[in-house]
Amino acid sequence: GAVVSQHPSWVICKSGTSVKIECRSLDFQATTMFWYRQFPKQSLMLMATSNEGSKATYEQGVEKDKFLINHASLTLSTLTVTSAHPEDSSFYICSAPSGGYTDTQYFGPGTRLTVL
Amino acid sequence: AQRVTQPEKLLSVFKGAPVELKCNYSYSGSPELFWYVQYSRQRLQLLLRHISRESIKGFTADLNKGETSFHLKKPFAQEEDSAMYYCALSGGNMLTFGGGTRLMVKP
Repeated sequence: GAVVSQHPSWVICKSGTSVKIECRSLDFQATTMFWYRQFPKQSLMLMATSNEGSKATYEQGVEKDKFLINHASLTLSTLTVTSAHPEDSSFYICSAPSGGYTDTQYFGPGTRLTVL
Repeated sequence: AQRVTQPEKLLSVFKGAPVELKCNYSYSGSPELFWYVQYSRQRLQLLLRHISRESIKGFTADLNKGETSFHLKKPFAQEEDSAMYYCALSGGNMLTFGGGTRLMVKP
């Protein structure tokens, strides 16, 4: 089946620095990818929809200037957490649909971000 | 607005017992519903979707539009079914997840 990878799998950074997380579809092309955030003991929350060749669509309450999304190619989307703060510490997961826009989603393994 | 509710955070059963993980949704249109599973230290993966009406690993789920439910069922739980289960609704270009239910199957 389709595989989505994320890099890095975990990262620790200092407050005020920026962190980039990559999401790649390894064996299929994805014009759309989704970024989720998962707080401890809570469900996945959709942050934004990444669109290849155009601007990302952010969910209400998500700061677009803080969470920069770039969908540079049909197999790569990046999420950059700018000027990270401890409250940004979380588990970030990306997904890509196998076919249509909201078709079966394939999830990356997630990235654990800890901001000190 | 679309919403998915999984009322039970934890469900504990003995091996061989029937299992039902509840999922209720609210959505004004015609929804697509999914169950995703996350085994320990593994990524989230699709378990089944209501459109395909298939049974995966012995699990089934029927969409009940009258009750706006999509409960996940299995007649005889196995220890390897222990995992986190998420119900999700796809509608209006969004995938909304329920809060998840942790299923623990005891020997």
